[in-house]
Amino acid sequence: DTEVTQTPKHLVMGMTNKKSLKCEQHMGHRAMYWYKQKAKKPPELMFVYSYEKLSINESVPSRFSPECPNSSLLNLHLHALQPEDSALYLCASSQGISRTEAFFGQGTRLTVV
Amino acid sequence: GESVGLHLPTLSVQEGDNSIINCAYSNSASDYFIWYKQESGKGPQFIIDIRSNMDKRQGQRVTVLLNKTVKHLSLQIAATQPGDSAVYFCAEKSGANNLFFGTGTRLTVIP
Repeated sequence: DTEVTQTPKHLVMGMTNKKSLKCEQHMGHRAMYWYKQKAKKPPELMFVYSYEKLSINESVPSRFSPECPNSSLLNLHLHALQPEDSALYLCASSQGISRTEAFFGQGTRLTVV
Repeated sequence: GESVGLHLPTLSVQEGDNSIINCAYSNSASDYFIWYKQESGKGPQFIIDIRSNMDKRQGQRVTVLLNKTVKHLSLQIAATQPGDSAVYFCAEKSGANNLFFGTGTRLTVIP
């Protein structure tokens, strides 16, 4: 199993809503990542978890709150988002944070209205 | 067909021809340089990487060349196929630091 599974695939939410994005992998990877990708742009790193601990937070606004309940799961809790937060949110995992080969999920297409 | 990094983000090639996608990187301290392929509606997919102490590495139908003198990275795809149509990102990585993606190049293969 070399898959990273993200749910939901699409999400439309209002600016006052609270929602969560979910990511799951069963490859035994100990590093997991959240990336944000705007249209026609490269993915931008948001958060890195290593061994279930937050390792990197790339100055992401607090309306995005990551959570790593266990080594296979990664969540991104969303609250009070802005329309400019609309993007593709990608989850990835790798064997460790020093590895170059990251496996990406298909992403959640988020639209904030 | 050949792209020139940031100035030509789109590359069109005939099926069967070789493709060359170029990338200029900024961090001379990066340990690894990596190519990812992103098809429409999918997440990026690892293609190949090269360590900073190498200048060439070959994979299946792909070759990555690294020129540290001019901070230039290229991806060569032999006998380009329609399934190669995608956006290709170069990326750099230094130790445990994050994977930094460069601007992508859209490759379109004409049957």
